[in-house]
Amino acid sequence: EVQLLESGGGLVQPGGSLRLSCAASGFTFSSYAMNWVRQAPGKGLEWVSLIYAGGSDTHYADSVKGRFTISRDNSKNTLYLQMNGLRAEDTAIYYCAKGASTVKSWFDSWGQGTLVTVSS
Amino acid sequence: DIVMTQSPDSLAVSLGERATINCKSSQSVLYSSNNWNYLAWYQQKPGQPPKLLIYWASTRESGVPDRFSGSGSGTDFTLTISSLQAEDVAVYYCHQYYSMPQTFGQGTKLEIK
Repeated sequence: EVQLLESGGGLVQPGGSLRLSCAASGFTFSSYAMNWVRQAPGKGLEWVSLIYAGGSDTHYADSVKGRFTISRDNSKNTLYLQMNGLRAEDTAIYYCAKGASTVKSWFDSWGQGTLVTVSS
Repeated sequence: DIVMTQSPDSLAVSLGERATINCKSSQSVLYSSNNWNYLAWYQQKPGQPPKLLIYWASTRESGVPDRFSGSGSGTDFTLTISSLQAEDVAVYYCHQYYSMPQTFGQGTKLEIK
């Protein structure tokens, strides 16, 4: 059974940084692209970032480009999202979502999410 | 960016009746080289993460009840629930993975009438 467990969320001041982690199990992590998707309170889904299976290719939403960095450690079966220069509008639940292939695709499994709150 | 627009924003349907949700993309998500539509549907219940229902516009994910079906091609897509059950109350999202940035529709809230 695929399991994705996010951690690292919390309360941070504007301009601050956080590093989210997603521990994966139940599948061959290194064979699948991984994504971060966020959902602001009471709002819809927003794709944030994608990293291909090998880790060489990454993509970002314009809203986070230059501030967020996605990475993965295939030896530890873990996905990361380094978030710098946080803004109030980054407040959201951040979901780790498994892709269905090595590159961009639909999201076939989701974690429970971790809440990031940016506020002074 | 491809803009995904769902209609309606909310929908109330009686138990056992058909529910239809539409999704329109601002440009085609049909890849001509393989004739696949890069379109997925998700269901999100309160307090839960989204769950994949449909991919390639019409392929049902394993374990999803067959009352859920997807159709359409190019820019116009539909998610149909043939006979609404109480457990289908949720928000439904379409998602295009044709091009970056990947984008979602705004969501359609489905309730029982």
